[in-house]
Amino acid sequence: AQSVTQLGSHVSVSEGALVLLRCNYSSSVPPYLFWYVQYPNQGLQLLLKYTTGATLVKGINGFEAEFKKSETSFHLTKPSAHMSDAAEYFCAVSSPGGGGADGLTFGKGTHLIIQP
Amino acid sequence: GAVVSQHPSWVICKSGTSVKIECRSLDFQATTMFWYRQFPKQSLMLMATSNEGSKATYEQGVEKDKFLINHASLTLSTLTVTSAHPEDSSFYICSARFWGLAGVHEQYFGPGTRLTVT
Repeated sequence: AQSVTQLGSHVSVSEGALVLLRCNYSSSVPPYLFWYVQYPNQGLQLLLKYTTGATLVKGINGFEAEFKKSETSFHLTKPSAHMSDAAEYFCAVSSPGGGGADGLTFGKGTHLIIQP
Repeated sequence: GAVVSQHPSWVICKSGTSVKIECRSLDFQATTMFWYRQFPKQSLMLMATSNEGSKATYEQGVEKDKFLINHASLTLSTLTVTSAHPEDSSFYICSARFWGLAGVHEQYFGPGTRLTVT
């Protein structure tokens, strides 16, 4: 079974400050890891994903995340927050492999608030 | 990137009626589609996995007779909420999966359907 823990249901940062959203996972096999953003009443937009290879993954809108196997973490960061980054962020995990019908397991989400 | 659409984007229905939600992959063929439910201020919960041409696989606790899923083609899956009750009011989101580059599957989400049962 897989699970995802996002520390902090709400994170507030000042505009221009560093954004750090935490995600820890548990998986019995090497996972695929994802970060999604959701704006109110909208679907999910993929920010970035880790499958294999380089552990530092760069995504859209200046976000990046680093896969740390030893810490079972996949924290999301952005050097300088913009007002437009205010949204709900979800970390998700899935098991790799073909044919399998695994959907994604999501964390509970972190609401990012940007202070002017 | 790949586009997934849902129709309708929102629907209000009376208790006891049935509602059908469509999920379409617009520019790719999706052998697998997933249906999620999201309650207000909560995360997405996987309801079922829909494979083209076969029966859907439901997650534990999801009533298959209440949430009917049909995946008739490689670009269309439908979710029918039968005999809807107010507690079925939720945001329903589908996603479609296909094989991308390097044999890694890619999953794209639809914009969601807001269902309100009165």
